[in-house]
Amino acid sequence: NAGVTQTPKFRILKIGQSMTLQCAQDMNHNYMYWYRQDPGMGLKLIYYSVGAGITDKGEVPNGYNVSRSTTEDFPLRLELAAPSQTSVYFCASSYEGIADEQYFGPGTRLTVT
Amino acid sequence: GDSVTQMEGPVTLSEEAFLTINCTYTATGYPSLFWYVQYPGEGLQLLLKATKADDKGSNKGFEATYRKETTSFHLEKGSVQVSDSAVYFCALPNSGGSNYKLTFGKGTLLTVNP
Repeated sequence: NAGVTQTPKFRILKIGQSMTLQCAQDMNHNYMYWYRQDPGMGLKLIYYSVGAGITDKGEVPNGYNVSRSTTEDFPLRLELAAPSQTSVYFCASSYEGIADEQYFGPGTRLTVT
Repeated sequence: GDSVTQMEGPVTLSEEAFLTINCTYTATGYPSLFWYVQYPGEGLQLLLKATKADDKGSNKGFEATYRKETTSFHLEKGSVQVSDSAVYFCALPNSGGSNYKLTFGKGTLLTVNP
């Protein structure tokens, strides 16, 4: 059981470039989430999904897109990267909703210069 | 809206010292409450939870009691170890209207020295 996996671990982007952060889970969880973590600011929810084919915006969705074509995978797409998107990104999953334990991946550290 | 206020860090203790990290919340109704821990270079993991008033969550020697009267969920440990050095987050779920999210406190960095 790998749990929640994320790739890449680190990435440096130039302003205006695009990239996709990959996230996969092997626990057959229905719910998946993308967070960003900025220093001293806790975690902010970017997007979430309650099942394959269903996604919705969180607190800070601007500049990002997601898709959920399978239960296992929940990629996060950054279009036209900006310095404000420099952050650590965490993917998480849970079997039931937000009152259930969330399992986090190891994170992707992204720098936009 | 719902919110979590967590004790600012950093907190530095010697091994075997007593730990308290304060957490208070504002919420509609009586949601579950969580403490998550983030060890250096890792993602968050659930440390403990409580689902209703007066519940006590406990794990790895840590405890927290859900206090409805004081809207608090303070984290305590009687004797910390170097391996407890991490960032601790208090969290509560919001599910009203379009607010479907886990609201986190800003985190408290704990360093335990030998």
